Amino acid sequence: AQSVSQHNHHVILSEAASLELGCNYSYGGTVNLFWYVQYPGQHLQLLLKYFSGDPLVKGIKGFEAEFIKSKFSFNLRKPSVQWSDTAEYFCAVASGSARQLTFGSGTQLTVLP
Amino acid sequence: NAGVTQTPKFQVLKTGQSMTLQCAQDMNHEYMSWYRQDPGMGLRLIHYSVGAGITDQGEVPNGYNVSRSTTEDFPLRLLSAAPSQTSVYFCASSLSGRGPDEQYFGPGTRLTVT
Repeated sequence: AQSVSQHNHHVILSEAASLELGCNYSYGGTVNLFWYVQYPGQHLQLLLKYFSGDPLVKGIKGFEAEFIKSKFSFNLRKPSVQWSDTAEYFCAVASGSARQLTFGSGTQLTVLP
Repeated sequence: NAGVTQTPKFQVLKTGQSMTLQCAQDMNHEYMSWYRQDPGMGLRLIHYSVGAGITDQGEVPNGYNVSRSTTEDFPLRLLSAAPSQTSVYFCASSLSGRGPDEQYFGPGTRLTVT
């Protein structure tokens, strides 16, 4: 069975700091990768996704992620965070043509004004 | 489009009671699924459906039943609620059950079992 690891459980940054959240998965075949964000009291929203092609993908609100196949990683980055980025971030993986998602445990990001 | 809707938003049950969490989508999506979210564990798949009349189990199906009689609706039934089922439940849908595609999530139902 595949698994997804998010090693940072809680990250605290000041506004304008750079962000990188780690995501590693365990699955040897073709994967489709996602980052979802959950703002306080809201449902999950898609930040970005990778299916194939350019391993550097750009999402909404200035976020980007890089797929490194050799490292089984899909880290999320943002050059300069804002207070409004305070949220919980989830990495998720679907294997092959399957639609079922396996989620990481999530990273709570707190941005201090 | 309303997207994915869930009712109720909050529910408190006593151990042993049964109830149905409702999920509906108006996007004509084939694929629908139910997840539960618990602190420190992310979201875990309970059941999913690739189309009307077709359902299958996910990672944590025990204690839950589903059916898919229409494309729009995918209710989740708790047969005999237990405190371990206290969680936030999210329904999600996507256009097709085949190939990669993003899933759209509903607002969630927060369930407490006492």
